[in-house]
Amino acid sequence: ILNVEQSPQSLHVQEGDSTNFTCSFPSSNFYALHWYRWETAKSPEALFVMTLNGDEKKKGRISATLNTKEGYSYLYIKGSQPEDSATYLCASGDYKLSFGAGTTVTVRA
Amino acid sequence: NAGVTQTPKFRVLKTGQSMTLLCAQDMNHEYMYWYRQDPGMGLRLIHYSVGEGTTAKGEVPDGYNVSRLKKQNFLLGLESAAPSQTSVYFCASSSGQPGEKLFFGSGTQLSVL
Repeated sequence: ILNVEQSPQSLHVQEGDSTNFTCSFPSSNFYALHWYRWETAKSPEALFVMTLNGDEKKKGRISATLNTKEGYSYLYIKGSQPEDSATYLCASGDYKLSFGAGTTVTVRA
Repeated sequence: NAGVTQTPKFRVLKTGQSMTLLCAQDMNHEYMYWYRQDPGMGLRLIHYSVGEGTTAKGEVPDGYNVSRLKKQNFLLGLESAAPSQTSVYFCASSSGQPGEKLFFGSGTQLSVL
C-alpha cells in the first residue's frame, strides 16, 4: 500500500480560469502514475498513465506532468468549463494501484 | 461496447444478510479488481485477481470473499453484511501490461442497515 496524497481536497474555479492541483506519491520503487476523471454517477475514466520522469501528457485542455525523483504530479486544466466539474483521482503503483482521495473541481459559470 | 458491467447498481441489506456482486468484462483482460469508495478516502483495494482461478487479498479484504471461475467474471461476496460495509463498490479490469489503465464498472451503492 502506497501513501498517495492529493491536494487540495476541493476547489472552485470560475469558468474560463485555469487551475492545477497536486498528487504526491512515494518516489522509491516508482512504477506508474495514473490520473482518472470521475463524474458523479459515472465510472472513473482514465485520463493519463505516466511512467517516465519528466513525462508530460495532454488531452484537450487537460495536461499532466510527472516528477518521479521528488514524487509529485500536477494536473492542469486550462480555460475551465462547467463540463470539467468532476473528481480527479491519481493513483500510483504497478498492477496494484494505491489511490489518493481525489480533488473535486467545481467550475462556476 | 459493454466494457465492465457490474450488477446490481443498488442494494440495501440488513445486518447479517449475504449477497454477491457480479463483475463481467468483455475485453479479455487478465487482471480484475474490487475496490470500495468511502467519503474522504481514496479507492481501497479489497481483492484482486491476476487470472482465471486466482485471487489475492488487497488492502481491506476482511469480511469479503471473491471468486474468478471464468476469466470474464469476478464475483465479490459478503457472507454476513455489517454496517461498516456500507460503501460504493467498483469493479475494474486491466490487461496487466506495464502502464496500462484500469477500466471501471459503473459502481454498486450498497447500504447495510
